[in-house]
Amino acid sequence: GAVVSQHPSWVICKSGTSVKIECRSLDFQATTMFWYRQFPKQSLMLMATSNEGSKATYEQGVEKDKFLINHASLTLSTLTVTSAHPEDSSFYICSARDLARLNTEAFFGQGTRLTVV
Amino acid sequence: DAKTTQPPSMDCAEGRAANLPCNHSTISGNEYVYWYRQIHSQGPQYIIHGLKNNETNEMASLIITEDRKSSTLILPHATLRDTAVYYCIVRRYSGGGADGLTFGKGTHLIIQP
Repeated sequence: GAVVSQHPSWVICKSGTSVKIECRSLDFQATTMFWYRQFPKQSLMLMATSNEGSKATYEQGVEKDKFLINHASLTLSTLTVTSAHPEDSSFYICSARDLARLNTEAFFGQGTRLTVV
Repeated sequence: DAKTTQPPSMDCAEGRAANLPCNHSTISGNEYVYWYRQIHSQGPQYIIHGLKNNETNEMASLIITEDRKSSTLILPHATLRDTAVYYCIVRRYSGGGADGLTFGKGTHLIIQP
């Protein structure tokens, strides 16, 4: 299957700082990538849909000014958690679909564990 | 997308077939059944999907009932590495790939040695 890579795998940051997470599709192109968040013992929740060359679409309750998404190319989307606070500590996961394959499954990155102290 | 119902947890002995059920009684004609799994602290992994015919790949088999209101994921020879949370997701065909996935709580499958 196609490969989606996230970086970093884990990060610890101080409260009030910003953290950038990268999501790359390594062997395919994706106009659309998705960002999810998963709190301990809970399921994945879709945060936003990242569209190449245009503004991201955010799910209800997700602050777009806090979670900045940039999708500048067909293989890279970034999520920046601005002014992070301990309640933002979570597992952040991205996914992407292969443009060339219709009705295809989504491929997920390995996730980024964010801890805000 | 239609709602799905799965048991919260299941046990299976190593080497035996693991059969994971999923109810999706409100599924509509253009909705597919997808299965993903998530091993602890990793991103979800695609397993299989189908519309109405049974499907098989190198990982698993998917059996969909004739009325499409339920399905079963079968792992034919479970190993310890199959311990994970398994998610059954029903979604419409989306040629542009523009829709994110809605994850329920899934089934926590525990393979016992």
